Amino acid sequence: DAGVIQSPRHEVTEMGQEVTLRCKPISGHDYLFWYRQTMMRGLELLIYFNNNVPIDDSGMPEDRFSAKMPNASFSTLKIQPSEPRDSAVYFCASSPPDIDEQFFGPGTRLTVL
Amino acid sequence: QKEVEQNSGPLSVPEGAIASLNCTYSDRGSQSFFWYRQYSGKSPELIMSIYSNGDKEDGRFTAQLNKASQYVSLLIRDSQPSDSATYLCAVNIGENQGGKLIFGQGTELSVKP
Repeated sequence: DAGVIQSPRHEVTEMGQEVTLRCKPISGHDYLFWYRQTMMRGLELLIYFNNNVPIDDSGMPEDRFSAKMPNASFSTLKIQPSEPRDSAVYFCASSPPDIDEQFFGPGTRLTVL
Repeated sequence: QKEVEQNSGPLSVPEGAIASLNCTYSDRGSQSFFWYRQYSGKSPELIMSIYSNGDKEDGRFTAQLNKASQYVSLLIRDSQPSDSATYLCAVNIGENQGGKLIFGQGTELSVKP
């Protein structure tokens, strides 16, 4: 079975540009999570969805960040405009119904110059 | 603020020894507890989950949970150099949270040949 798929794997952009990260969860999973990981702050939950509906976005750092899940097999995290402090590894994870275990994708390493 | 605390390490053990990793959490309502392993440059990988007080064994790994003390640990027997990684403790932060996990900062483990 395919795991969580993320694209792109690496993204280098300049400050002020729009960045879109993509995620395909494991088929049949009904929860989807977006995390950000940095050395300083560790692994932080940004937002999560249940059955395509955003449940908790309290971790989204500011209005420059937005996330959508138009269907059960696709989600995006958008940063507009991007800033150097957004440089981090962004992970998507999904979990199946009634089980809290989360399975992570390979991540997107974002560098904002 | 609900928290999960781990010693950052690094924890260094000789090959063949038992590595002991510890984690405390603040939310008494937490019901689900997880250990993830993260190799440098890779995504977190679920290695153990535990839901009840006591021990749970899986191969060389044993997870221990004490809800009264709000403490969860991971023992790795017969440690191998390939076990060298950062180990993340994750805790569900209470009932009806829909699988939302809080992660500790991680403990770096180094197994010396």
